[in-house]
Amino acid sequence: NAGVTQTPKFRVLKTGQSMTLLCAQDMNHEYMYWYRQDPGMGLRLIHYSVGEGTTAKGEVPDGYNVSRLKKQNFLLGLESAAPSQTSVYFCASGRIGTDTQYFGPGTRLTVL
Amino acid sequence: AQKITQTQPGMFVQEKEAVTLDCTYDTSDPSYGLFWYKQPSSGEMIFLIYQGSYDQQNATEGRYSLNFQKARKSANLVISASQLGDSAMYFCALPPQGSKIIFGSGTRLSIRP
Repeated sequence: NAGVTQTPKFRVLKTGQSMTLLCAQDMNHEYMYWYRQDPGMGLRLIHYSVGEGTTAKGEVPDGYNVSRLKKQNFLLGLESAAPSQTSVYFCASGRIGTDTQYFGPGTRLTVL
Repeated sequence: AQKITQTQPGMFVQEKEAVTLDCTYDTSDPSYGLFWYKQPSSGEMIFLIYQGSYDQQNATEGRYSLNFQKARKSANLVISASQLGDSAMYFCALPPQGSKIIFGSGTRLSIRP
């Protein structure tokens, strides 16, 4: 039981490049989330999903897209990376009817 | 609007002492929960403890306990007998309806040997 995994762990992009972050969970959780964490700030919700095939915007969705084609995977896409997207990205999952979220190890993204 | 406030950006505590990390919140939901997460320097987020607003007793998990004062809207984390491994960022969080967690800005706890 690996819990929540994220790939890649580190990535450096140039401005304008695109990339996709992958989050996978093996706990059969319905809910999945993408957060970003910036220095001196708490986590901010980018997008979330309450089930396969559904996604919704969080607090800071601009510049990101997501997809939840399979229940166990939640993808976060950056179509045209900007330096302001330099951050640590966390994926989390949770079971329906509960509030506890389980986090992945994070992805450190740098956009030059 | 939902809001979490952590007023201590950083704290230093001597090993084996108890420490209290402050958290105040604002919510209009009649029923809610409060979380605390730990984030060590390695970066992962670790769930520590949960308190439901209608729980009769304050939550405890090993050396972690919550000093929950509903009327004051505070949910302070108490760590007893601190250890060097407790050095980390600590986040208080509030899940509004729809399971979207709102995090505070965090407190960096440093334990001195």
